[in-house]
Amino acid sequence: DQQVKQNSPSLSVQEGRISILNCDYTNSMFDYFLWYKKYPAEGPTFLISISSIKDKNEDGRFTVFLNKSAKHLSLHIVPSQPGDSAVYFCAASAAHSARQLTFGSGTQLTVLP
Amino acid sequence: GAGVSQSPSNKVTEKGKDVELRCDPISGHTALYWYRQSLGQGLEFLIYFQGNSAPDKSGLPSDRFSAERTGGSVSTLTIQRTQQEDSAVYLCASSLDGARNQPQHFGDGTRLSIL
Repeated sequence: DQQVKQNSPSLSVQEGRISILNCDYTNSMFDYFLWYKKYPAEGPTFLISISSIKDKNEDGRFTVFLNKSAKHLSLHIVPSQPGDSAVYFCAASAAHSARQLTFGSGTQLTVLP
Repeated sequence: GAGVSQSPSNKVTEKGKDVELRCDPISGHTALYWYRQSLGQGLEFLIYFQGNSAPDKSGLPSDRFSAERTGGSVSTLTIQRTQQEDSAVYLCASSLDGARNQPQHFGDGTRLSIL
């Protein structure tokens, strides 16, 4: 039973345009969400996080939106750059097991020059 | 070094053998995590160490898997009597104090292949 789902395995976007990566979750106990980026043969790198008390968090070109009623979050990257090409993982945790991150299966983003 | 270091980077072994994977966390980080990533899947939590507290082993898939952390720093993940389904990338991460707002920093992983 996948509690965090990234239904799009891949996404291609033109350089300069907006990239929107989506994530859905089923566990209503999740209250903290993160996005990680992963290049081939490297470990994931933390990008941005959001607590369930917020519906938006912004850091430079990256913005995460959380819709608790829909159990949906998204990562917006604008403007997209070729160096953003990587696999993006959504992750979530619940207060009672805060150390355990539950990850989605990832979305491969390709930014075309 | 500045980041989380894992060794070996690649390990190929025969089914039934034992393997040990090593993780050196970022200096000063008291929290250490092990995950594994099977092909086409997300990361799966295995075990968490925080300081001198008892580890959270709730993610270990079977009793063939064990981990220890000596002196609050280096950790080893041991898989006994390996099976083909153990083939995966094993990732270690550390964070400053395990607080939720402290991001987990990952190593580059050990790619384990069981023949």
